[in-house]
Amino acid sequence: GENVEQHPSTLSVQEGDSAVIKCTYSDSASNYFPWYKQELGKGPQLIIDIRSNVGEKKDQRIAVTLNKTAKHFSLHITETQPEDSAVYFCAALRRGGSGNTGKLIFGQGTTLQVKP
Amino acid sequence: DAEITQSPRHKITETGRQVTLACHQTWNHNNMFWYRQDLGHGLRLIHYSYGVQDTNKGEVSDGYSVSRSNTEDLPLTLESAASSQTSVYFCASSKQTGGLDTQYFGPGTRLTVL
Repeated sequence: GENVEQHPSTLSVQEGDSAVIKCTYSDSASNYFPWYKQELGKGPQLIIDIRSNVGEKKDQRIAVTLNKTAKHFSLHITETQPEDSAVYFCAALRRGGSGNTGKLIFGQGTTLQVKP
Repeated sequence: DAEITQSPRHKITETGRQVTLACHQTWNHNNMFWYRQDLGHGLRLIHYSYGVQDTNKGEVSDGYSVSRSNTEDLPLTLESAASSQTSVYFCASSKQTGGLDTQYFGPGTRLTVL
């Protein structure tokens, strides 16, 4: 089955710097990769996602890149702000075909701290 | 506004008791999911449903059950609570048939089993 590894587990940056979180996945049939942000005491909130037919996607200060050959994808946050401090989760989902369960498999999470 | 809610938000119970956690969504989504979140494990899938009367086991389903009698609700039952089930539980839903789209999460229920 699918396995998703996420690194680093913690990340501390200065306000204004960039932050990069990386994930690798094991199942080459996975074709949808969302990123979630979880603030303290709240449920995960989708911030960006990418499908396997796309190499990069941007939304203001957030971008995600996907390398299908290497089976890894990354979240990039530019010009970080204190409100970006949270736990970030990557996930992979296998879609389509017989036997598909459509399950999201999550990475272990990255705690991002943005220092003012 | 459409939303997904969970209740209770906090629950303390004793070992051996039956506990039911509620999940309700007003998006009319076909698909609903239950996860547990533990330090070092991220989010792990317990059970999921692709529609009324449909339920499926996830990767950590032992000791849990769900039922789907309508579109809006997927209650999670712990048949006989164990200390290992102390965790934060999240419900999620998605709209596309077959569970193939973005999942939206509820606020979570923190369960403590003493």
